[in-house]
Amino acid sequence: DAKTTQPNSMESNEEEPVHLPCNHSTISGTDYIHWYRQLPSQGPEYVIHGLTSNVNNRMASLAIAEDRKSSTLILHRATLRDAAVYYCILSNTDKLIFGTGTRLQVFP
Amino acid sequence: GAGVSQSPSNKVTEKGKDVELRCDPISGHTALYWYRQSLGQGLEFLIYFQGNSAPDKSGLPSDRFSAERTGGSVSTLTIQRTQQEDSAVYLCASSLSALERFFGPGTRLTVL
Repeated sequence: DAKTTQPNSMESNEEEPVHLPCNHSTISGTDYIHWYRQLPSQGPEYVIHGLTSNVNNRMASLAIAEDRKSSTLILHRATLRDAAVYYCILSNTDKLIFGTGTRLQVFP
Repeated sequence: GAGVSQSPSNKVTEKGKDVELRCDPISGHTALYWYRQSLGQGLEFLIYFQGNSAPDKSGLPSDRFSAERTGGSVSTLTIQRTQQEDSAVYLCASSLSALERFFGPGTRLTVL
């Protein structure tokens, strides 16, 4: 599976938008971009996925660069509950390999 | 509806003992995955099942680890002769497609 690069940590204030970046310069044409998050003491939770086009769902938006070498997960209004480790993962198989992710802190 | 469940939620065992960890996937989900997460670390892929067969066992750390799935549903991860380095949270996930996995709460294993 192709490698992704994410910042180790980011901070945000409550009710502000958060843009979580992910670089994946070696992405292949068949790789999907997956985002999961892990809240403290819980299993990972699916957030969103995309292939080429930007995607929106009730949790977040995924903006994919035109060359697909990077993507950004957008939380439109951060809440305290959004504090978690966010994982950006590339995969075109049944196997998801998690990296170290970005730890997001949200301040009141 | 019911999510993925795992049992036990916590297991403390002595070094050298065998342990069995159970995963009940979401009903109808054909794929099932096992991961483990050591304290403060990321998730480590162990094995996945498509139906009852395991196409990819490459993540199992040693031959002390084995897993099976019966009836396309419940899966058991067995660790024989446990060692202290086996201490971790063992997470199970299931999915209907490769695009969205649902994780259980995990089993915290402590080997004394």
